Amino acid sequence: RKEVEQDPGPFNVPEGATVAFNCTYSNSASQSFFWYRQDCRKEPKLLMSVYSSGNEDGRFTAQLNRASQYISLLIRDSKLSDSATYLCVVNPSGFKTIFGAGTRLFVKA
Amino acid sequence: GAVVSQHPSWVICKSGTSVKIECRSLDFQATTMFWYRQFPKQSLMLMATSNEGSKATYEQGVEKDKFLINHASLTLSTLTVTSAHPEDSSFYICSAEEDRGLYGYTFGSGTRLTVV
Repeated sequence: RKEVEQDPGPFNVPEGATVAFNCTYSNSASQSFFWYRQDCRKEPKLLMSVYSSGNEDGRFTAQLNRASQYISLLIRDSKLSDSATYLCVVNPSGFKTIFGAGTRLFVKA
Repeated sequence: GAVVSQHPSWVICKSGTSVKIECRSLDFQATTMFWYRQFPKQSLMLMATSNEGSKATYEQGVEKDKFLINHASLTLSTLTVTSAHPEDSSFYICSAEEDRGLYGYTFGSGTRLTVV
């Protein structure tokens, strides 16, 4: 089993749609979780951290389920500019950061 | 916010030559920096962890003598691809952590290496 797994997609959705990504992790001791966004040929940029209580930033909502060892990212009212690859990142305390392979999203007009 | 500067952003070199890539933390000190490689349509793969004042820690399958890492100060890490070959052509990205595991990692803008 991979340490961090994501559905590679691609997800093709129309503008305005709601889309959700899940990411599972294998190390139950993991402490920090993040979602990054990576545009083609660019470096990843932090989208949001994922807290135990869940957090929301505008159209984006991140949630953590420790019992089932997964995190999720929900994007509401998708925009064309949301098209990118979304990387799930897990940082087990004291260990190296683990990146998921990424989920590709295409938002179409 | 935390800024990481990576230079050069792209480089083309001949087979057999060496290429040095610099990664600088501009407004914070970074005891640890990370070097990644990304091939087209693939995920970031950690190559090595660069530790200030000590030897880098390489991931399995990454040749230490091929990819030389130097982290001589708290704001600068360098990756040198020695005797580059076409199969080394890739996107190399560095990152640094501002605060361990709590605020995410800041990435440099990446270096696209093409070996001809």
